[in-house]
Amino acid sequence: AQKITQTQPGMFVQEKEAVTLDCTYDTSDPSYGLFWYKQPSSGEMIFLIYQGSYDQQNATEGRYSLNFQKARKSANLVISASQLGDSAMYFCAMREGMDSNYQLIWGAGTKLIIKP
Amino acid sequence: DTAVSQTPKYLVTQMGNDKSIKCEQNLGHDTMYWYKQDSKKFLKIMFSYNNKELIINETVPNRFSPKSPDKAHLNLHINSLELGDSAVYFCASSPWTGPDETQYFGPGTRLLVL
Repeated sequence: AQKITQTQPGMFVQEKEAVTLDCTYDTSDPSYGLFWYKQPSSGEMIFLIYQGSYDQQNATEGRYSLNFQKARKSANLVISASQLGDSAMYFCAMREGMDSNYQLIWGAGTKLIIKP
Repeated sequence: DTAVSQTPKYLVTQMGNDKSIKCEQNLGHDTMYWYKQDSKKFLKIMFSYNNKELIINETVPNRFSPKSPDKAHLNLHINSLELGDSAVYFCASSPWTGPDETQYFGPGTRLLVL
């Protein structure tokens, strides 16, 4: 079974609009971490934001915020006021606890294209 | 200063050859990783080392052998390269292994096997 699901293979969004990239996860581990990474066309993997399973508040980093709904097991990435430079692949990932050696489990990614 | 560096950035080689990819991190991290990203952009963990000790060894062909001379370096050696080995290989590091430890990635090595 998929542990990380990103249901949107691709998205087109108008510049300056807000974007929500979906991510749902599946774990029975009470302690886990959720991560979002950006991969522009140049290929590097850039860490964006982290949410811990015990965090009470949603994580924010500049224009990025994570809409964490624990009961629904979702960790959607919200990008406010999108820019052309936001066009990239976005990956959601989860890190579980000790039994899995803290492996990072990756979603299939969402390709975001910002239109001018 | 580059935090996680990999060399070479591009590698084009013939089937059957042996090649190595080097990775270095200057972040003082204890844990390093190798990932393979296929043509569909799917990322798969290959190996993980913590303080030079192998802790994750996923099901990869034994033609792939990681070597960690010290905790700042994790090299990947590939024997008898095959067409299916063509991919982007990423090295990453994190301070420790824990659910809240962020992994920082190198720029990737684009391997093309002809």
